[in-house]
Amino acid sequence: DAKTTQPTSMDCAEGRAANLPCNHSTISGNEYVYWYRQIHSQGPQYIIHGLKNNETNEMASLIITEDRKSSTLILPHATLRDTAVYYCIVRVAYGNKLVFGAGTILRVKS
Amino acid sequence: DTGVSQNPRHKITKRGQNVTFRCDPISEHNRLYWYRQTLGQGPEFLTYFQNEAQLEKSRLLSDRFSAERPKGSFSTLEIQRTEQGDSAMYLCASIPGLFGRADTQYFGPGTRLTVL
Repeated sequence: DAKTTQPTSMDCAEGRAANLPCNHSTISGNEYVYWYRQIHSQGPQYIIHGLKNNETNEMASLIITEDRKSSTLILPHATLRDTAVYYCIVRVAYGNKLVFGAGTILRVKS
Repeated sequence: DTGVSQNPRHKITKRGQNVTFRCDPISEHNRLYWYRQTLGQGPEFLTYFQNEAQLEKSRLLSDRFSAERPKGSFSTLEIQRTEQGDSAMYLCASIPGLFGRADTQYFGPGTRLTVL
């Protein structure tokens, strides 16, 4: 699985959009970009994933650059409950495990 | 769908003791995963099962660790002769199988182990 690079931490004002970047320059053609988050003292929670097209669901949007070397997770209206560690993971679909990095600590502030 | 459950949620033990954790995946989920997470780090893969078959084990899973999923439903993770370095959160996750939304791993709340 390709390696990802994320900022260590980010701050966001409540009600504003949170844009979390992820670099994955060595991504292969059959690898997807997955995002999970982990709120303190809970298990990780799936957010969204995509291959090359932008994706949107009830939680977030995923924007993948045309060359697929980077992506951005967008939380359109961040709330205090979105404070968590966000993990960007690159892997093939139906792979046998998730390989987590250190993730980005997102702090949403009022 | 009641989610993945893990028991106990917290376990404190003395060095050298054996501990066992249980994971109940979402009903009819075929694949079950165990991860370990130490403070400030992301979860690390330990092992996974397809039904009752254990298909992969990480090098992190020393011979003091053993995992089972005897009937393809719940799973147990046992640590023998615990060491202080075993202190971590142990996470379980499950997915339905190979098709459909098979690739979304649903995680349980974890079991936090403290070895004194």
